[in-house]
Amino acid sequence: GAVVSQHPSWVICKSGTSVKIECRSLDFQATTMFWYRQFPKQSLMLMATSNEGSKATYEQGVEKDKFLINHASLTLSTLTVTSAHPEDSSFYICSATDRAAPDLWPQHFGDGTRLSIL
Amino acid sequence: QKEVEQNSGPLSVPEGAIASLNCTYSDRGSQSFFWYRQYSGKSPELIMFIYSNGDKEDGRFTAQLNKASQYVSLLIRDSQPSDSATYLCAVNILGRGYSSASKIIFGSGTRLSIRP
Repeated sequence: GAVVSQHPSWVICKSGTSVKIECRSLDFQATTMFWYRQFPKQSLMLMATSNEGSKATYEQGVEKDKFLINHASLTLSTLTVTSAHPEDSSFYICSATDRAAPDLWPQHFGDGTRLSIL
Repeated sequence: QKEVEQNSGPLSVPEGAIASLNCTYSDRGSQSFFWYRQYSGKSPELIMFIYSNGDKEDGRFTAQLNKASQYVSLLIRDSQPSDSATYLCAVNILGRGYSSASKIIFGSGTRLSIRP
């Protein structure tokens, strides 16, 4: 099945640090990748939609300058949390859809990154 | 109105019984519907997806879709303790306008507990 690799799996860093999270589709080409954030006991909140070779589409209320998304190839998207603060601590999850089956739409999820800002 | 609504639960079901999970959505143009299972601290795992009205069965799982009522459900037969998790309903929401892409929106999830 389709595999999405996300790393790091967890990060602990000081306030003010920038953190980069990588999301790779290992055995398929991902036309679109999605970035979600999930706070404890809450559902996944879509942050942005990332299409290869174009600018990401951010959801309302998500700061573009704080959460930088790059989707330079069909197999890699990155999310950089710039100048992270304790309120950015959360579980960040990426997902991808298979270019070969654009009409099927199931998203394949990475294992998530638990970010803790001290 | 939320785009995708689920009862948060917890839903408690005895082992071996049928667990029934429900979801409603607001966008009549939605065409793709998904059920994911999420264990605590883990990423969602795809259980079923359905596009056409009616039932779709896969092992112990059956997804049911009624587009006229904007309703999708998941039945789990012969419930096992390992089925205890949060179940997320997800719906494909069509983009609005030229620059808006389609996207998947998740409900808040239903916590299911299977008691031995």
